[in-house]
Amino acid sequence: DVKVTQSSRYLVKRTGEKVFLECVQDMDHENMFWYRQDPGLGLRLIYFSYDVKMKEKGDIPEGYSVSREKKERFSLILESASTNQTSMYLCASSVLNTGELFFGEGSRLTVL
Amino acid sequence: GESVGLHLPTLSVQEGDNSIINCAYSNSASDYFIWYKQESGKGPQFIIDIRSNMDKRQGQRVTVLLNKTVKHLSLQIAATQPGDSAVYFCAETNTGNQFYFGTGTSLTVIP
Repeated sequence: DVKVTQSSRYLVKRTGEKVFLECVQDMDHENMFWYRQDPGLGLRLIYFSYDVKMKEKGDIPEGYSVSREKKERFSLILESASTNQTSMYLCASSVLNTGELFFGEGSRLTVL
Repeated sequence: GESVGLHLPTLSVQEGDNSIINCAYSNSASDYFIWYKQESGKGPQFIIDIRSNMDKRQGQRVTVLLNKTVKHLSLQIAATQPGDSAVYFCAETNTGNQFYFGTGTSLTVIP
């Protein structure tokens, strides 16, 4: 079975802290994505990557950065967490140019 | 950017009835569409997909209909069961790499 694993299901951080969200996929997919999900707003793309060390901004990249040093791992970084970054974060992966996204279980981040 | 929306944010159906969930999209260049199901506390799961060269595709108890003329997508669930209660999202793409998602419809199945 295909698997996308997000390392933390629940995190609570303080304003100004640096936050790392890790995502690993075992399907040898080229594409990896980070979305945030908020009530009434659906899924919004933060960043995506179509190859190792490559990254592209999505629709809401401000306040975030990403790292893809290995094909299977895509990290989302909040350099200085703010309360408006409290959200559910979803990682996904897909084969290049074929479509279907496979999602992880999500990481619910609360910033106090 | 793309606008992908849903006609109704919530839908309640009796167990055993058929459910229809609708989705409108704005990008006429979109060529691939997916329906996802998201249960509480979990990530979205693939249900069914359809490419723009088709207007209907059937899976197990689910059917997706695509009307490119009016840029409308629907998901039909036959004989809805309590386990179908979830939020359903449509997603579209015209690149195969970046998807745009609707806000979701919350389906509640009444026993």
